[in-house]
Amino acid sequence: AQKVTQAQTEISVVEKEDVTLDCVYETRDTTYYLFWYKQPPSGELVFLIRRNSFDEQNEISGRYSWNFQKSTSSFNFTITASQVVDSAVYFCALRVQGAQKLVFGQGTRLTINP
Amino acid sequence: DAGVTQSPTHLIKTRGQQVTLRCSPKSGHDTVSWYQQALGQGPQFIFQYYEEEERQRGNFPDRFSGHQFPNYSSELNVNALLLGDSALYLCASSSGTIQQYFGPGTRLTVT
Repeated sequence: AQKVTQAQTEISVVEKEDVTLDCVYETRDTTYYLFWYKQPPSGELVFLIRRNSFDEQNEISGRYSWNFQKSTSSFNFTITASQVVDSAVYFCALRVQGAQKLVFGQGTRLTINP
Repeated sequence: DAGVTQSPTHLIKTRGQQVTLRCSPKSGHDTVSWYQQALGQGPQFIFQYYEEEERQRGNFPDRFSGHQFPNYSSELNVNALLLGDSALYLCASSSGTIQQYFGPGTRLTVT
């Protein structure tokens, strides 16, 4: 069975601060995919990034960066110089090779205060 | 290019009733997945439809059923509604890829 844990239920920071959202996953499969989604108040899940288990390269996209470490089964997400528009619930998700479903964590509610 | 669409946006039903939710996939997508997201929780996989057949099912009772039409759109049916069925129901579409694209969801309230 697969499991995703986002230990941080809520995070609140002041605008322009850097913030890191933690994600730890569990799976016995050797091929799997990790995702981050953003869910604004409107409810729609917005795809942010996908990482394959065989590609541990970290990635940076503008103010967003992701740190994938297989040794610790973690896939953390950092927002640099946070903005109020970053306020949302963020979900980490896992999908294993051959399975169709995404397994989501509980989500982290991020609030950026002006 | 239209994304994934869902209808209705909101729905209020009474315990014991039946409900049907609808989803139109993104253009070019042939696979539809349904998820249930209870308040304050992450989405939970209900099932996935491909070629009009249920391809995989999550841990949901038989009260939850679905259908996929030849145009790839899909319906989620829930019978004998319980208060605990109140949630945001999300539809996601894909096409032979790993990436799933989500719709805005239908918020179901059971009273």
